[in-house]
Amino acid sequence: QKEVEQDPGPLSVPEGAIVSLNCTYSNSAFQYFMWYRQYSRKGPELLMYTYSSGNKEDGRFTAQVDKSSKYISLFIRDSQPSDSATYLCAMTNSNSGYALNFGKGTSLLVTP
Amino acid sequence: GAGVSQSPRYKVAKRGQDVALRCDPISGHVSLFWYQQALGQGPEFLTYFQNEAQLDKSGLPSDRFFAERPEGSVSTLKIQRTQQEDSAVYLCASSLAIASGRAPDTDTQYFGPGTRLTVL
Repeated sequence: QKEVEQDPGPLSVPEGAIVSLNCTYSNSAFQYFMWYRQYSRKGPELLMYTYSSGNKEDGRFTAQVDKSSKYISLFIRDSQPSDSATYLCAMTNSNSGYALNFGKGTSLLVTP
Repeated sequence: GAGVSQSPRYKVAKRGQDVALRCDPISGHVSLFWYQQALGQGPEFLTYFQNEAQLDKSGLPSDRFFAERPEGSVSTLKIQRTQQEDSAVYLCASSLAIASGRAPDTDTQYFGPGTRLTVL
């Protein structure tokens, strides 16, 4: 079983909807949590970075981490067709912080 | 400003051939990473360089995989005697500083577009 689990979707929502994406993990040593967005035929780009538990907001995006439940979420408000992409969660620990552990990604389609 | 570039973007190899994949990191970035992304999966860590030193190669799947970064800038991932299971997108990433995971401003990994390798 992989250390990071993520529902691959696909998830289809109408424009303007609130999107909720999430990941669960098994390694309690993970402390640093990230969300990447990957468009087709492109490399992943970092959206959000969170350390330990708590919430972080950046524009239309909110990242939440619940370490007690080993569960992280990304919320997208007022979703736009340009948000259509694959969203990857990634996490790491302080011992080998360079080796990101990714989920398999959730494919999101926002329809006009 | 140029991002991470990779070449070739697409590579088709016959089983048993050797291939070399190139990564040009962002200028001045100390850390360089290689990941393998199979179809429908997230990237899997392969190896990490700090300047020219390969500090971690624990993710390389077999001894057919070899990576180098001789002058601390451009890196090459070489796969010998390619097999069908090597078919994947190979992603390169670089970050500004020595990677620790604790400093998002300098540890952020910037990814290239990847090289899609298909082994027939």
